[in-house]
Amino acid sequence: DTGVSQNPRHKITKRGQNVTFRCDPISEHNRLYWYRQTLGQGPEFLTYFQNEAQLEKSRLLSDRFSAERPKGSFSTLEIQRTEQGDSAMYLCASSSLLSDTQHGEQYFGPGTRLTVT
Amino acid sequence: AQSVSQHNHHVILSEAASLELGCNYSYGGTVNLFWYVQYPGQHLQLLLKYFSGDPLVKGIKGFEAEFIKSKFSFNLRKPSVQWSDTAEYFCAGPGTGRRALTFGSGTRLQVQP
Repeated sequence: DTGVSQNPRHKITKRGQNVTFRCDPISEHNRLYWYRQTLGQGPEFLTYFQNEAQLEKSRLLSDRFSAERPKGSFSTLEIQRTEQGDSAMYLCASSSLLSDTQHGEQYFGPGTRLTVT
Repeated sequence: AQSVSQHNHHVILSEAASLELGCNYSYGGTVNLFWYVQYPGQHLQLLLKYFSGDPLVKGIKGFEAEFIKSKFSFNLRKPSVQWSDTAEYFCAGPGTGRRALTFGSGTRLQVQP
């Protein structure tokens, strides 16, 4: 399967614990995105990488959240001191380089469902 | 602020009925619009996209959408739905950042056999 993959698919953690999710984008895609989706809502943008550079961060990304893409391939999203409000589906997407004036179509992974108890 | 809104939250149709799901956007500049679909238990998939040119775009599985600039709309249509079209549909467009997408809240479509 050459699509976007995410691990783990499900994570249950206790409040206050740290969690880390991994995303492997489509191999030739240099752009990678993280979104969060809660029940009954569309995905909300969290952050964006072009290669290894993190170029955009949403206000939703509090200090407890950090994302990395050290070699411009896979990415990790870490949430420290989890809170119940962090319970959501965390989606990763990737896209290829297009002109600066266009938002390229994004290919989504299956997501990691986080439940904070 | 740039935003995308979907009018219908839950739509129930019988098979063979026609479908139209509303989507409105509110921003200027380059308009790139998308419809994504999420089938039960599956990940988001691109249904169709509009970047420029012909305002009537055709996507997979018989879906189409029309970009009407004067109405700031990008409604999704299908002449005859099937039970397998049961899914959640999201309209998306450029977010406030350079690359982010902003999504509508989604429309849950239920097709009854």
